[in-house]
This record gives sequence, C-alpha cells and structure tokens, in this order.
Amino acid sequence: SYVLTQPPSVSVAPGQTASIACGGDNIDSKSVHWYQQKTGQAPVLVVSDDTDRPSGIPERFSGSNAGDTATLTITRVEAGDEADYYCQVWDGSGERWVFGGGTKLTVL
Amino acid sequence: EVQLVESGGGLVQPGGSLRLSCAASGFSISRYTMNWVRQAPGKGLEWVSYSSYSGSTIYYAESVRGRFTVSRDTGKNALVLQMNSLRVADTAVYYCAKDMYPYDYVRGPSRNKEGFYYYAMDVWGLGTTVIVS
Repeated sequence: SYVLTQPPSVSVAPGQTASIACGGDNIDSKSVHWYQQKTGQAPVLVVSDDTDRPSGIPERFSGSNAGDTATLTITRVEAGDEADYYCQVWDGSGERWVFGGGTKLTVL
Repeated sequence: EVQLVESGGGLVQPGGSLRLSCAASGFSISRYTMNWVRQAPGKGLEWVSYSSYSGSTIYYAESVRGRFTVSRDTGKNALVLQMNSLRVADTAVYYCAKDMYPYDYVRGPSRNKEGFYYYAMDVWGLGTTVIVS
C-alpha cells in the first residue's frame, strides 16, 4: 500500500521560510494536496494538485513535487501559520485516499 | 455559503452502532463526491470513506470495511455514515468533506498525474465526536 512520510515537526522563526516535505515512492506521478489544521479546528485546503492555491489562501503558501518528494513552502512565516500540515494523494491501486502522518509547524 | 454540519456522534459501547449525518447547505451533494475523514485523539487524519456524486461508486478504508456503510439522503441533502460493530479504535472526531469540483467539471488533460480526477477536499465540517468505550 502507498505510504506518505512527513517529518513530525518543523520549526522556523517569524519572517523566515518553512519547508515541509512529504515523501512517497515516485510521488511526482501523483497529484498532491496539502491541508492546514490549527488546534481544535477542521482542516483547511491550502494547496491542491501540487501547486494550485485555492481562493483566499495567501501567496506565501506554495507547493512543488519532484521525484520522491513533494514540498509545501511557506514564506515570510507568521505566528498564525502555526499548525499541523498534512499531505494527501489518491492511491489508485488501493482505491483509497492516503494522508501523510502530519507535520507540526512551530513558529519560534 | 457552502457549509457542512456533522451530527450523530456520542458515547457508545464496543460492539454498538451509531449513525452520523452530514447536512450540506449552499450546494447540492448530488453534484459532488463526498468523503468521511476521522481523527483519533492526538493523531493524524485518516480517510474513512468515499461516495461518488451519484452514490454509485463507494470506497472504504480497510479498517472500517464491512462495518461502516455510507449513503446519501438526497431529500435532506445529507451524507450518512452508518457505523456498526464499533471498536475502541474507532474513537475519533469524524469529518465530512466535499470535493473541490462537481462531477461535470471539465478539467482538461491529466498532466499525467494519477489521481488528477480525484479532487482535493475544499470544504470540511467542524466534525462530530465518537467515543467507543
């Protein structure tokens, strides 16, 4: 079965750039979606299909996907970006959605 | 405003049943694939079930297959999750979520991406809590 691997935590100072990785076998053959979940809240879609940003999501959020790693990049990080971030792909062979384990972003 | 509101959660003993409902407003679920996703306390997101816009294509996570059944109440514009033979491991917040695009959205070439026509989930409910104990 397809597995997505994320680092448990990433820390960054305000104003700096955060990069959150999502590893998977040949992940660049799949469309990757990213969700932000703040404590006690429902997930929010921040990037779809590797690089697309839904309406209302700041341009500071961007995505990329190459080889075995997809990456969510947040530039000019703010305190309000502190949250858990999850990557997601569709596993066609298993007919199922797969989420990564999540990465807790801490703003120092 | 597009909105999803889950209900039906509660405390149930192992082996018991619960019926969750997800009421949609601002759009017709008959035009969208819908999913259930759960989150156990302190854990990450786990996909539970997929229901195509017509309800004709349904998928389940292996962990719930044979115990959970997803259906649609089009008259109430609601998605339903019938959960039977509940286990302690089913304890979680259960979210419903809608696809980003309707079934008839013309998307264009697939960019050679698997899952290109399985859309991201752009609207989520606040969730309903199920405790099996």
